[in-house]
Amino acid sequence: GAVVSQHPSRVICKSGTSVKIECRSLDFQATTMFWYRQFPKQSLMLMATSNEGSKATYEQGVEKDKFLINHASLTLSTLTVTSAHPEDSSFYICSARPLGQRAGYGYTFGSGTRLTVV
Amino acid sequence: GDSVTQMEGPVTLSEEAFLTINCTYTATGYPSLFWYVQYPGEGLQLLLKATKADDKGSNKGFEATYRKETTSFHLEKGSVQVSDSAVYFCALSENSGNTPLVFGKGTRLSVIA
Repeated sequence: GAVVSQHPSRVICKSGTSVKIECRSLDFQATTMFWYRQFPKQSLMLMATSNEGSKATYEQGVEKDKFLINHASLTLSTLTVTSAHPEDSSFYICSARPLGQRAGYGYTFGSGTRLTVV
Repeated sequence: GDSVTQMEGPVTLSEEAFLTINCTYTATGYPSLFWYVQYPGEGLQLLLKATKADDKGSNKGFEATYRKETTSFHLEKGSVQVSDSAVYFCALSENSGNTPLVFGKGTRLSVIA
């Protein structure tokens, strides 16, 4: 089945530094990947849609300069949290679906990245 | 726009109890419906799905039936186990293009021995 690898699973960084999170589809290609943020005991909030070879589409209220998304190939999307602050601490999850696969198959999710900014 | 409403948790059950988590949706088209499960500290796993009216999705003893007339997709399990303790998300996806999933708020289930 479709597998999405997300790395790192946990990261602790100092305030003001940047952190890169990778989302990689291991056995399929994806022109579109989605990035979500999840606060404790809450649902997933869609942050942005990552489009291979073009600019990401950000949801309203998400700072595109703080959350940089790059989808340089059909198997890799990255989310960089720039100049991280404690309020950016959260659980970040990516998801993808194989190119050409119908919506009825659902999306595959990465295992998530727990970011803690100290 | 599309939306998903599921019952608020947390839900606490004894082992072997019957589980129902209600989920209703609003959508402009004919979406596919999903239940995802999230175990502590992990990402989401697809539990089951249904792509058209009257379809029944099932997996690991869980079932849900796509009811178009009531716009519902309630999750059920006849006998829960401690290992079923997790957060369950109902979601829908429009069947056109690469649109993201629309999630409900999630229901936390705790099963006690």
